[in-house]
Amino acid sequence: AQKITQTQPGMFVQEKEAVTLDCTYDTSDQSYGLFWYKQPSSGEMIFLIYQGSYDEQNATEGRYSLNFQKARKSANLVISASQLGDSAMYFCAMRERQTGANNLFFGTGTRLTVIP
Amino acid sequence: NAGVTQTPKFQVLKTGQSMTLQCAQDMNHNSMYWYRQDPGMGLRLIYYSASEGTTDKGEVPNGYNVSRLNKREFSLRLESAAPSQTSVYFCASSERGKAFFGQGTRLTVV
Repeated sequence: AQKITQTQPGMFVQEKEAVTLDCTYDTSDQSYGLFWYKQPSSGEMIFLIYQGSYDEQNATEGRYSLNFQKARKSANLVISASQLGDSAMYFCAMRERQTGANNLFFGTGTRLTVIP
Repeated sequence: NAGVTQTPKFQVLKTGQSMTLQCAQDMNHNSMYWYRQDPGMGLRLIYYSASEGTTDKGEVPNGYNVSRLNKREFSLRLESAAPSQTSVYFCASSERGKAFFGQGTRLTVV
């Protein structure tokens, strides 16, 4: 079974609008971390935001927020006031703490295009 | 402010050739990783090292070897390159869960 599922291969958003990128995860661990990374066309992986499974508040980092719904096992990324520079691939990832595998499992990504 | 540095950035190999991808981090992290990224897929873990002197297999270790030379450096070796190893390779290091990635190495095996 996929650990991380991103069902939107591509998304479009108008500049200055908000957009939500979906991510669902699968784990039986109680302790885990959820991450979002951005990969622009230049290829580097840029850390955006982190949510721990025990964090009660949704994580926020500037224009990025993580809509964490634990019971539904979803960790959607919300980007507010989209900018042209937000056009990139976005990857959701999860680290399980208890399995000892010390792996960061990635989804297949969503390509976001911001339209002027 | 280097972070994670990978070399080389690009490489073309012939089938059967060997090479080593180098990675160094200056953040004093214990954990280091090698991933590969293929079109339409996320990153998949090849090998990781939880600390100096230890290495473990990830999801796709076949055809690769690694060395954790010291706390800073973690290298990935292809002993006999195959076209299926054409990919973009990322090195990463992490502390308290957050991973920092190098710029990537685009490897083509012909």
